[in-house]
Amino acid sequence: DTGVSQDPRHKITKRGQNVTFRCDPISEHNRLYWYRQTLGQGPEFLTYFQNEAQLEKSRLLSDRFSAERPKGSFSTLEIQRTEQGDSAMYLCASSSSGGPLNEQYFGPGTRLTVT
Amino acid sequence: AQSVTQLGSHVSVSEGALVLLRCNYSSSVPPYLFWYVQYPNQGLQLLLKYTSAATLVKGINGFEAEFKKSETSFHLTKPSAHMSDAAEYFCAVRRSNTGNQFYFGTGTSLTVIP
Repeated sequence: DTGVSQDPRHKITKRGQNVTFRCDPISEHNRLYWYRQTLGQGPEFLTYFQNEAQLEKSRLLSDRFSAERPKGSFSTLEIQRTEQGDSAMYLCASSSSGGPLNEQYFGPGTRLTVT
Repeated sequence: AQSVTQLGSHVSVSEGALVLLRCNYSSSVPPYLFWYVQYPNQGLQLLLKYTSAATLVKGINGFEAEFKKSETSFHLTKPSAHMSDAAEYFCAVRRSNTGNQFYFGTGTSLTVIP
């Protein structure tokens, strides 16, 4: 296994369009996280899955955002009616079960540009 | 609420010089603290984490960090900077109760001058 992968790596879209990103975690990891990173900032938590259950959502995750992990493996993050403020790097991470010291392994991210 | 503050958004050091990147945390309970590094166009990679087993934590690539409760700090150091250390460094704290997400600092960009 080569780690967490994300697709696409880059996405340019026009304002108002819908976009969907995919994350494939490390195969034995049952926890999956989405973060958003804007220029000059650290990653900000968006949502978290344990297996297929979405257990936490940040208030950053507006109604236009939806995330799924239907079979407890890969996950998708969809943004509807994109706005210029959605331009950011979207990072996915995965980890195994366990305590708070469990490391999260990050993917390379999907860079979204909304024009 | 738990959070971290990174002092200095940009740090420049000469190759071979000491690297010191600052991180202070705010927490009412013992925190779970981490340092991550991000190279251009790549995801974050764990450098080290504080486990409470020892206050001085050694990580990868020669980095280490010292947990100082009295100063609420977890500064990252490396005795001798290498050109390959140029990257963005993030301090992060993890909630110690039911939450699982990290709270990241704003990051420090390290430049190594040859």
